[in-house]
Amino acid sequence: QVQLVQSGAEVKRPGASVRVSCKASGYTFTTYGLSWVRQAPGQGLEWMGWISAFNGNTLYAQNVQGRVTMTRDTSTSTAYMELRSLRSDDTAVYYCARESVGSSSYYFRHWGQGTLVTVSS
Amino acid sequence: SYVLTQPPSVSVAPGQTARVTCGGANIGSKSVHWYQARPGQAPVVVVYDDSARPSGIPERFSGSNSGNTATLSISRVEAGDEADYYCQVWDSTTEVKVFGTGTKVTVL
Repeated sequence: QVQLVQSGAEVKRPGASVRVSCKASGYTFTTYGLSWVRQAPGQGLEWMGWISAFNGNTLYAQNVQGRVTMTRDTSTSTAYMELRSLRSDDTAVYYCARESVGSSSYYFRHWGQGTLVTVSS
Repeated sequence: SYVLTQPPSVSVAPGQTARVTCGGANIGSKSVHWYQARPGQAPVVVVYDDSARPSGIPERFSGSNSGNTATLSISRVEAGDEADYYCQVWDSTTEVKVFGTGTKVTVL
């Protein structure tokens, strides 16, 4: 079965960087893209960006563009999300989510368990 | 950028039908997906492609999409349906994925 296992919780100072990993299993890693979605406390789901596991192409949301880098390692079936220049409003649970292809669109059938990133001085 | 607007909250009595709307410009031309999010848990897709249900999701969950509004309906509501619900689309013009603002469904 498809599994996405994320790295553990992180506590960071403002201005620091964080890297969250997402190890995939149960399917051919390079067949599907992966997105990163975050949810700040008391807030809604926010799509951060996408990476093609096939060729590493990326697409980032405007609100994190310039501070985020998404990469993948096909040898270990692992995707990474690095967020730099952290601010207090980056405190959130970060999820990786594997794309599923609908009739004419993409949705998320499989999610990681989430990684809490806390930014605090 | 494409915006999806949901009511902040919907309240429903057990056994009744809850309807959660998702408004967006000409959303009827897009495929809409719905997620259930409970505190401390990863979201779960309950409806995809406007009205399809993944395996394991009860038939009580259904969806429709037309014009500028998509709707998630939950019939015969149970206490366990209490959660936040989010709509989501893929904007083919920009290739970004967009989530709605979210709706808290409360079972009275």
